[in-house]
Amino acid sequence: AQSVTQLDSHVSVSEGTPVLLRCNYSSSYSPSLFWYVQHPNKGLQLLLKYTSAATLVKGINGFEAEFKKSETSFHLTKPSAHMSDAAEYFCVVRDNSGYSTLTFGKGTMLLVSP
Amino acid sequence: EAGVAQSPRYKIIEKRQSVAFWCNPISGHATLYWYQQILGQGPKLLIQFQNNGVVDDSQLPKDRFSAERLKGVDSTLKIQPAKLEDSAVYLCASSPTRGSYGYTFGSGTRLTVV
Repeated sequence: AQSVTQLDSHVSVSEGTPVLLRCNYSSSYSPSLFWYVQHPNKGLQLLLKYTSAATLVKGINGFEAEFKKSETSFHLTKPSAHMSDAAEYFCVVRDNSGYSTLTFGKGTMLLVSP
Repeated sequence: EAGVAQSPRYKIIEKRQSVAFWCNPISGHATLYWYQQILGQGPKLLIQFQNNGVVDDSQLPKDRFSAERLKGVDSTLKIQPAKLEDSAVYLCASSPTRGSYGYTFGSGTRLTVV
């Protein structure tokens, strides 16, 4: 079985300050992990993915995430928030066995103030 | 490359009515997924197809939901009869194969049941 816990339902930052969105996962097998972003009334867009290569993963728009097996975490960070980053972010796990289906967290809403 | 197409974009129906959603995946993608995203939650997998066969439908409420993927291309998801709690966004996604990382999501169909 696999599951994802996003530790914050909402995160508020000021423009230009760092962003940290926290995610813990549970997986019976060696997992793949993803972060997706969803802007209002838009589809899901892949930010980055971890597929058992480098543990520090760089994605689009300056985001990155670090896979920490000992802590079962995959937190998403960005050094400096931009107003356009305001959206909902989903941490997703896929255990690489069986059906290889994606399991989504409940999401973290990122609010960016000027 | 064209994305995953879904229609209709929005649908409002009364409870106990029936409704159908359509999805056209990316050309050549063998795997197709239907997700249900209730407001404030992450998407939840309803059914996964590999070509025209069902791989996983363990979370599909089969008393009212049905889905098919004739000829291994387009797919239709049906709800009959609808309940108030079926109000959600229904997302379709596709990937080249079951184990690949190239998931592409459609923009979804927003269903409101009144």
